[in-house]
Amino acid sequence: NAGVMQNPRHLVRRRGQEARLRCSPMKGHSHVYWYRQLPEEGLKFMVYLQKENIIDESGMPKERFSAEFPKEGPSILRIQQVVRGDSAAYFCASSPGAGADTEAFFGQGTRLTVV
Amino acid sequence: AQSVTQLGSHVSVSEGALVLLRCNYSSSVPPYLFWYVQYPNQGLQLLLKYTSAATLVKGINGFEAEFKKSETSFHLTKPSAHMSDAAEYFCAVSKRDGGFKTIFGAGTRLFVKA
Repeated sequence: NAGVMQNPRHLVRRRGQEARLRCSPMKGHSHVYWYRQLPEEGLKFMVYLQKENIIDESGMPKERFSAEFPKEGPSILRIQQVVRGDSAAYFCASSPGAGADTEAFFGQGTRLTVV
Repeated sequence: AQSVTQLGSHVSVSEGALVLLRCNYSSSVPPYLFWYVQYPNQGLQLLLKYTSAATLVKGINGFEAEFKKSETSFHLTKPSAHMSDAAEYFCAVSKRDGGFKTIFGAGTRLFVKA
């Protein structure tokens, strides 16, 4: 049973370009969460999705960021018109349920560098 | 609002010595508490979690943590450090009333000296 798969592992974008980060949850998991980790900081919650629905996007910046989890295919975190401050590690996690005590399994992250 | 404070961004211990990583939380409702470990260039792995059963929780790799409500603490310990324990450790809290907006601390990097 493969774990949470994120790709690419490393992504370099010039300022103003778009970044698309992909996350394939573990088999059987229908809940996906995205977190951002800035250098020397903990993980900051961004968004929680179930299949085809955004459940909680309270941690998402209001502009340029969007997320989706379609019926088929991976979850996508999209950052439009990237800026240097978007440089960070973005982690995806998945779980089989939504209970607050449910363990989430993390991917290895995508490290975005904006030059 | 919930929050987590990890005291000490860096902790250094000798191999074989006690490991103590401190975590204090703030929550308006009884929380669930977690410790995760992150090895370089890896995702986070769950070490242990507290969900209101026993206050002393045992996890993987010989780690354990004790929930102390009076101190709002959930410190992580291991009796004897091993070189392979060198990593970053994150304390996290989530609310019991559903959802998964887990709040993570800033992390503590553990160094183990030979």
